[in-house]
Amino acid sequence: DAEITQSPRHKITETGRQVTLACHQTWNHNNMFWYRQDLGHGLRLIHYSYGVQDTNKGEVSDGYSVSRSNTEDLPLTLESAASSQTSVYFCASSETGTRKTFGSGTRLTVV
Amino acid sequence: AQKITQTQPGMFVQEKEAVTLDCTYDTSDQSYGLFWYKQPSSGEMIFLIYQGSYDEQNATEGRYSLNFQKARKSANLVISASQLGDSAMYFCAMISGGFKTIFGAGTRLFVKA
Repeated sequence: DAEITQSPRHKITETGRQVTLACHQTWNHNNMFWYRQDLGHGLRLIHYSYGVQDTNKGEVSDGYSVSRSNTEDLPLTLESAASSQTSVYFCASSETGTRKTFGSGTRLTVV
Repeated sequence: AQKITQTQPGMFVQEKEAVTLDCTYDTSDQSYGLFWYKQPSSGEMIFLIYQGSYDEQNATEGRYSLNFQKARKSANLVISASQLGDSAMYFCAMISGGFKTIFGAGTRLFVKA
């Protein structure tokens, strides 16, 4: 069965370190997204991609970057982790605009 | 600017009763879509229901229905015959102008036995 997987599920890192969160989907979806979830804010869009070599900034992109070298993967990099980036991160993919399939999430703690 | 507003941080409902979760939205686009997702305590995001802005009928999926009132810009979720397993966080979301989706802050539903 097709799926979307995120790794790691949990990560603790220190302030200032570079961190990369992985997202891999086997749906062959062109569209991929990264969200962060914080209490009281729902899910906020960080970056998104509509295809290979395409990346776009979302509403909370500062301090994050993505790259899309193939259809399956959209890794999210925190260039220099800050405590404000402690959050739960969700990757999602979609083919059409009607619904997204989400990964299980990565809980990141920056200490 | 596009915005989703969920005004109910928490809701209680008795098992087997119906409950309505409120959602209002704001967009200047004529074509858009509205979603509801469920997030149980395990954390995954589960798609529940979708309504397109041009759909004339309200969307239904089993016990879930979306009460779409375009003029009022509201897209309330109605859950009929609540079950204990419905206890979860519920997010209203909107897609417009591409494939980006914006989410509301969520409503936590508690179903009482």
